[in-house]
Amino acid sequence: DVVMTQSPLSLPVTLGQAASISCRSSQSLVHSDGNTYLNWFQQRPGQSPRRLIYKVSNRDSGVPDRFSGSGSGTDFTLKISRVEAEDVGVYYCMQGTHWPPWTFGQGTKVEIK
Amino acid sequence: QVQLVESGGGVVQPGTSLRLSCAASGFTFSSYGMHWIRQAPGKGLEWVAFMWNAESNNHYAESVKGRFTISRDNSKNTLFLQMNSLRAEDTAVYYCARGSSGGSVPFDYWGQGTLVTVSS
Repeated sequence: DVVMTQSPLSLPVTLGQAASISCRSSQSLVHSDGNTYLNWFQQRPGQSPRRLIYKVSNRDSGVPDRFSGSGSGTDFTLKISRVEAEDVGVYYCMQGTHWPPWTFGQGTKVEIK
Repeated sequence: QVQLVESGGGVVQPGTSLRLSCAASGFTFSSYGMHWIRQAPGKGLEWVAFMWNAESNNHYAESVKGRFTISRDNSKNTLFLQMNSLRAEDTAVYYCARGSSGGSVPFDYWGQGTLVTVSS
């Protein structure tokens, strides 16, 4: 199984400042079809997960452009350019290249300082 | 709009069974694969099971293989998860999520979840 490792696990940020979350996979996530199936999800307190980013860098509909995804191979990053209060929650990366199983990172808790 | 609504959760004793449902609307259910994902209290997300749009070649996490069965009724736009021989470690909120269809990327829509508590 592909192991997804996120860092940091806790991220206190100042409103308006940038934030960055790293996600590393135990093997390359490049699929034989040429795509890289790396997603990012946001889970606000008390809510269901919501997909933010798919295939490394594609924002889902309605996701603010302050969220961006990047990376390749085994190293990926989610960046929030200017953190807002509504961004508080837990963020998960997930791989969908080598399945089953689909595997998630441990989650990174973003909180306001 | 796409909606997924889970139901069927509750408090059950170890060793017993429970059947979860996920009612889908707002899209052509029969054209999409579907997933179950769970989240133990205060923990992260764990993928549980997947099935394609027809009942063949389903997939399960090792932790539930042989105990859980995923199924669907396309005529009623409903996904199911039959959970047998439940254990305390199966306690979690269970979410259904939309899979892929054609070139779409899965996990774009999730339900609100249903809580399963396994306790004596």
